[in-house]
Amino acid sequence: DADVTQTPRNRITKTGKRIMLECSQTKGHDRMYWYRQDPGLGLRLIYYSFDVKDINKGEISDGYSVSRQAQAKFSLSLESAIPNQTALYFCATSFNNEQFFGPGTRLTVL
Amino acid sequence: KQEVTQIPAALSVPEGENLVLNCSFTDSAIYNLQWFRQDPGKGLTSLLLIQSSQREQTSGRLNASLDKSSGRSTLYIAASQPGDSATYLCAVKTFEDKLVFGAGTILRVKS
Repeated sequence: DADVTQTPRNRITKTGKRIMLECSQTKGHDRMYWYRQDPGLGLRLIYYSFDVKDINKGEISDGYSVSRQAQAKFSLSLESAIPNQTALYFCATSFNNEQFFGPGTRLTVL
Repeated sequence: KQEVTQIPAALSVPEGENLVLNCSFTDSAIYNLQWFRQDPGKGLTSLLLIQSSQREQTSGRLNASLDKSSGRSTLYIAASQPGDSATYLCAVKTFEDKLVFGAGTILRVKS
């Protein structure tokens, strides 16, 4: 079984819709992260959480929100999706200063 | 603000060649540097992690070096194979526990 899982793996939605991307981990790590990847830009940090009660904005948090429901679960929400949020989204955990990534969610906003 | 640059953006080589991928960063105050591999439609696989106090790390045909003072790292792949075709990403970890990524190098190894 994968250590970091993301659901859904692919999603197509329309402008203005609310959408939630979910991340679960079985590694027991406290630290979790959400990134987005756009062609030619590498990965950029959206939000990160060092434990259930500690959530922080990353480089590009506008238009996104997160929820850390438990140590193992970290969800990313787009309250009103817009086309420029079309991207590949990755969840990651961190332990001993090494990060471990999920398989990604490909989101398309029409 | 830390910025990471990877050169070249894309590289195509015949099978069996040795090759070098380059990564540079603007702020030498890093905790570590990590090289990842990304296959199309897949997540990131960690290849090598170099602590800021280290000069290099090796794993099989891969060797990564780090020169923190000059803000550079290289990933050396020996005897390249078609299965090495992927995007290679370099990322530096800041002391705020954030990873800053380069845009990646797309590698194609032709058989």
